Amino acid sequence: DARVTQTPRHKVTEMGQEVTMRCQPILGHNTVFWYRQTMMQGLELLAYFRNRAPLDDSGMPKDRFSAEMPDATLATLKIQPSEPRDSAVYFCASGLVLAGGRNNEQFFGPGTRLTVL
Amino acid sequence: SQQGEEDPQALSIQEGENATMNCSYKTSINNLQWYRQNSGRGLVHLILIRSNEREKHSGRLRVTLDTSKKSSSLLITASRAADTASYFCATFVDTGRRALTFGSGTRLQVQP
Repeated sequence: DARVTQTPRHKVTEMGQEVTMRCQPILGHNTVFWYRQTMMQGLELLAYFRNRAPLDDSGMPKDRFSAEMPDATLATLKIQPSEPRDSAVYFCASGLVLAGGRNNEQFFGPGTRLTVL
Repeated sequence: SQQGEEDPQALSIQEGENATMNCSYKTSINNLQWYRQNSGRGLVHLILIRSNEREKHSGRLRVTLDTSKKSSSLLITASRAADTASYFCATFVDTGRRALTFGSGTRLQVQP
């Protein structure tokens, strides 16, 4: 049963600390997405990769957020320094985007619930 | 504002009744997808309907798409308590960011 996994599931940290969230996409998927979900803003797309290359990170605050895919089995999202307003649930999703770039379904991980004090 | 906006924001029904949720969007799309999110969990894909399709079925789910009105509806028939969740529509446009844009969701409560 292939699933997207995310670690940690919960993270509580203090303002100013670095936070790293990890995601293992489903094997064979070529596109990985990072989303942030809050009550106020709903689900926001932060960044996404295709074949490990960053395609769009326009939803991400550039000064403190960074996203990478060091290999096909790992995607990371880092926040440095973290701020209380970063408190949210961060979801990773993966999908297989076929030729022509048409989007197919996305498979979501369970999320990382981040609390910045 | 969101590309997809769901209506109603919240819906409470009795088990066995049908639940209908609507989604409106602003620009032309390539496809529209519906997802479910149980409390504290990630989103789960339910169904995808392409812009050249008008209706699709999957089990107890029926999705319609009216591109002239830029709207879609999700019907869950014979609802069960286990259907209690938030439901999101997401639109895909094959230009610009070329990624899904999610609406704010409909919270469905099915009373046993």
